[in-house]
Amino acid sequence: AQSVTQPDIHITVSEGASLELRCNYSYGATPYLFWYVQSPGQGLQLLLKYFSGDTLVQGIKGFEAEFKRSQSSFNLRKPSVHWSDAAEYFCAVGPLNTDKLIFGTGTRLQVFP
Amino acid sequence: DAGVIQSPRHEVTEMGQEVTLRCKPISGHNSLFWYRQTMMRGLELLIYFNNNVPIDDSGMPEDRFSAKMPNASFSTLKIQPSEPRDSAVYFCASSLGQITDTQYFGPGTRLTVL
Repeated sequence: AQSVTQPDIHITVSEGASLELRCNYSYGATPYLFWYVQSPGQGLQLLLKYFSGDTLVQGIKGFEAEFKRSQSSFNLRKPSVHWSDAAEYFCAVGPLNTDKLIFGTGTRLQVFP
Repeated sequence: DAGVIQSPRHEVTEMGQEVTLRCKPISGHNSLFWYRQTMMRGLELLIYFNNNVPIDDSGMPEDRFSAKMPNASFSTLKIQPSEPRDSAVYFCASSLGQITDTQYFGPGTRLTVL
């Protein structure tokens, strides 16, 4: 069965530091891959998505993600974190034969000044 | 664009009562999704519609849950009778209809069943 794993439940970084959030998926073929962000008390917002082509994907708010087929990973990165990036981040996969997304359990990011 | 609209934003009810959650998708979107978010189980897809037709309801926990989409601009998720374990945040999302299209989420309804 398809699955998404986000190994880090909670990450704390200092403002200005770099960030990498991990995501691994289990699927027979390369699925569509997504990162969403959820600010407290709000719904999810799409940061970026990958379907094919260039394995480095740029998103909103200065985020990027790199697809690595050999590692079945789609890690999210940001070179310099801002206090406003504190939120919960969800990786999701969209299997090719369906319209629905499968979400990971999320990583809560805390940013210290 | 008003985005996805959900009502109510908060609902507190007693066990055994009927609960109806409402969603208005973004105009022109063909797919609508209902999700449930809890600390224990994370974000789960309950059901999704395409062109007002339920496509996959395999995530609906049991017969107490039902969802309808009578037209392209309105959907309901009903729980009858409600139980304390149904307490969660319920999100509605809509998209243009392809997996490659972005899902836009509403602000959610926080349901508490006492």
